[in-house]
Amino acid sequence: GAGVSQSPSNKVTEKGKDVELRCDPISGHTALYWYRQSLGQGLEFLIYFQGNSAPDKSGLPSDRFSAERTGGSVSTLTIQRTQQEDSAVYLCASSLFGQDEPQHFGDGTRLSIL
Amino acid sequence: GQQVMQIPQYQHVQEGEDFTTYCNSSTTLSNIQWYKQRPGGHPVFLIQLVKSGEVKKQKRLTFQFGEAKKNSSLHITATQTTDVGTYFCAPTGTASKLTFGTGTRLQVTL
Repeated sequence: GAGVSQSPSNKVTEKGKDVELRCDPISGHTALYWYRQSLGQGLEFLIYFQGNSAPDKSGLPSDRFSAERTGGSVSTLTIQRTQQEDSAVYLCASSLFGQDEPQHFGDGTRLSIL
Repeated sequence: GQQVMQIPQYQHVQEGEDFTTYCNSSTTLSNIQWYKQRPGGHPVFLIQLVKSGEVKKQKRLTFQFGEAKKNSSLHITATQTTDVGTYFCAPTGTASKLTFGTGTRLQVTL
């Protein structure tokens, strides 16, 4: 079946603008994760949604970052008033039930802030 | 969250040589997963280890979980150019806070 889909694949925007990144998880997966990966670096956890539970937002770096997941499916990560240090690849993953399940990653959105 | 360090950060081997990456934690882990990320790609799940002292094999890859569940290793026998990429460990479980290891980048040349 279809894997995790992320859009856009690339986004270039000016400093100070808001951006929205979209993630379509695998159908039936109840857990959804957002990560950030800077060039040549590891994965930085941002936020975790599990079913109807309150999301784990402990990884969000500032209040400019927010995410929502509507209807337990599609998720949107929003970055307000973007800064140059926000430039990175934003990866979304989903898993069937939770953290003890394999995570399936999308291809990511490469965000460049000019 | 649980901090996991991976060593080495980078390794360059000749094709046919063996390779090992180690994942070390200061605290006891519940479970641990391993992922591979090819250059320009996204992480792909390889395996999950659950039991103390567990050893699992996938063709040329051998995964181990330490007896104390504080460390894990991935060993590749007779590397091939297709093994190129970054290997990440990731502790899982309710206390893990979804922290991936720092990763080991493997370069294989002919």
